[in-house]
Amino acid sequence: EADIYQTPRYLVIGTGKKITLECSQTMGHDKMYWYQQDPGMELHLIHYSYGVNSTEKGDLSSESTVSRIRTEHFPLTLESARPSHTSQYLCASSRGGYTEAFFGQGTRLTVV
Amino acid sequence: AQSVTQLDSQVPVFEEAPVELRCNYSSSVSVYLFWYVQYPNQGLQLLLKYLSGSTLVESINGFEAEFNKSQTSFHLRKPSVHISDTAEYFCAVEAGANNLFFGTGTRLTVIP
Repeated sequence: EADIYQTPRYLVIGTGKKITLECSQTMGHDKMYWYQQDPGMELHLIHYSYGVNSTEKGDLSSESTVSRIRTEHFPLTLESARPSHTSQYLCASSRGGYTEAFFGQGTRLTVV
Repeated sequence: AQSVTQLDSQVPVFEEAPVELRCNYSSSVSVYLFWYVQYPNQGLQLLLKYLSGSTLVESINGFEAEFNKSQTSFHLRKPSVHISDTAEYFCAVEAGANNLFFGTGTRLTVIP
């Protein structure tokens, strides 16, 4: 069983609020990812990290930001939530080098 | 650039019938291919992967996929499905930049 955790699982929040989605892994993986998933659509990579102090933007433009101060922690922050941010956000980690990625259970965000 | 196409968004099939979920990819470099499964309200789990060697790969729960380089395909098959196989299935490719690109997913529904 994968040891990667996301909190919260579900979040309903008002427009304009600042939110942080938490993601932690206990596997010592260097590489971590954030994906955005909408129903019937592919997973879009929005951020990734190769290790501590490394953050990169993914293929889908996102207004969110990430940080990687510790290997095990990769939080995603939205400074001002909007209804267009309503989606499911999936965090993943891997050892890198063409190995499998392990996914958290996801955070389903609804902005009202 | 890499891309993944899953031709069928939904596949209903009767229990104990065979099923094939199609996946095609495009890439200008060597690829590594994965199938992930997502059960309701859960994150993605690796089902099987092709990295090198034999082009036919199998999972522990009876699924198999064959890497066909000439047709740029990695279709997923199972000879006899079970109710518990009902889930969303994602094909993914990793190449070059070490990032995973996902298809739009195929929802497999097994009918009793």
